[in-house]
Amino acid sequence: QSALTQPASVSGSPGQSIAISCTGTSSDVGAYNYVSWYQQHPGTAPKLMIYDVSNRPSEVSNRFSGSKSGNTASLTISGLQAEDEADYYCSSYTSSSTYVFGTGTKVTVL
Amino acid sequence: EVQLVESGGGLVQPGGSLRLPCAASGFTFSSYWMHWVRQAPGKGLVWVSRIKYDGTTTNYADSVKGRFTISRDSAKNTVYLEMNSLRAEDTAVYYCARGAMGFYYLDNWGQGTLVTVSS
Repeated sequence: QSALTQPASVSGSPGQSIAISCTGTSSDVGAYNYVSWYQQHPGTAPKLMIYDVSNRPSEVSNRFSGSKSGNTASLTISGLQAEDEADYYCSSYTSSSTYVFGTGTKVTVL
Repeated sequence: EVQLVESGGGLVQPGGSLRLPCAASGFTFSSYWMHWVRQAPGKGLVWVSRIKYDGTTTNYADSVKGRFTISRDSAKNTVYLEMNSLRAEDTAVYYCARGAMGFYYLDNWGQGTLVTVSS
């Protein structure tokens, strides 16, 4: 149950687009379309941003989008805003009937 | 409004035990899988365990298998995490989360409770 691999940090200027990758294996990310993404601001609980690879809860801005190719999923944030500065984690259901999170990515808005 | 409230955290010695309750409200508790996720200080999220809505199925991360037990009490709308043989590396904020009905993601989270394992 190794953590999914994410870049430690990604940064961008306001208005720009950034992408965060999430690489797993054929037993998790590559096995199912059950990848979800969570946003976490310091000292708070995680918040669901994307589920089932590319679906967005109604309360989440359409600036957030998700995709997947093979064993790698991606979260894209377009029109970057100051409030997007946070930690982001991907997660996947696994073939062992467990879940695994990514290593986490700190997004900085320059 | 969905609410998940964890409690029971605190300081415990290595080798000790602790039970974390998570009180749920605002939804039909007996219809949802429930999960525990932890986060060591300054580190990332780690999935710990889940329990089926009727309590018949449980799954665990390898790092806690055999030491932690998840359970639920539908009469009290509460899910528990019993932690035994605690180690320093179990030090973390423990979050209770609801599994989305029919899906494989966590749609609501509690505020977390801190467990510190230290002598």
